[in-house]
Amino acid sequence: GNSVTQMEGPVTLSEEAFLTINCTYTATGYPSLFWYVQYPGEGLQLLLKATKADDKGSNKGFEATYRKETTSFHLEKGSVQVSDSAVYFCALSGSGSARQLTFGSGTQLTVLP
Amino acid sequence: DGGITQSPKYLFRKEGQNVTLSCEQNLNHDAMYWYRQDPGQGLRLIYYSQIVNDFQKGDIAEGYSVSREKKESFPLTVTSAQKNPTAFYLCASSIMIGPDEQFFGPGTRLTVL
Repeated sequence: GNSVTQMEGPVTLSEEAFLTINCTYTATGYPSLFWYVQYPGEGLQLLLKATKADDKGSNKGFEATYRKETTSFHLEKGSVQVSDSAVYFCALSGSGSARQLTFGSGTQLTVLP
Repeated sequence: DGGITQSPKYLFRKEGQNVTLSCEQNLNHDAMYWYRQDPGQGLRLIYYSQIVNDFQKGDIAEGYSVSREKKESFPLTVTSAQKNPTAFYLCASSIMIGPDEQFFGPGTRLTVL
């Protein structure tokens, strides 16, 4: 079946540091890939997505590139802010009968001023 | 504004009681989902529905029940058969099952005493 493996947290960075959160996946066919963000006590919000190989999703300074050869979708941001502190989830949507979202376990990010 | 509402935000129940969590959306989405979130475990799919009067079990359906009598509404009942019901419950919707973005509600935190 489909699965998503995320870099374990928590991750603590200073403001303006570079962020990478690793995400790799296992899936048959050609899944779509997503990054969601969850702020404390809230639901999830879509951060970015990519629907085919070599696509780059980007939003609010965050980027991730769909790498089929390495089955990865790593999240990056060049300069994090305190307001980026949240939990980040990598997810995939499979094809055929397995089109529901499968989520990774989440990575807690804390950015210190 | 369009979106998903969940109520209540916090819910306390005694062990052995059934409890129903509300989820309403005004996005005109066909698909709706219920997830359970436990610390460090990401989101796990409980039930999903692609159309009115139809729903399917997700990965952890035991001890839960749902109904989909209206397109806008997808209530979840946590029954007394659920062994460990204390968790954060998230409802989501999407245009249809597949690679589309899922929109999430703010969640309900259920505590069983």
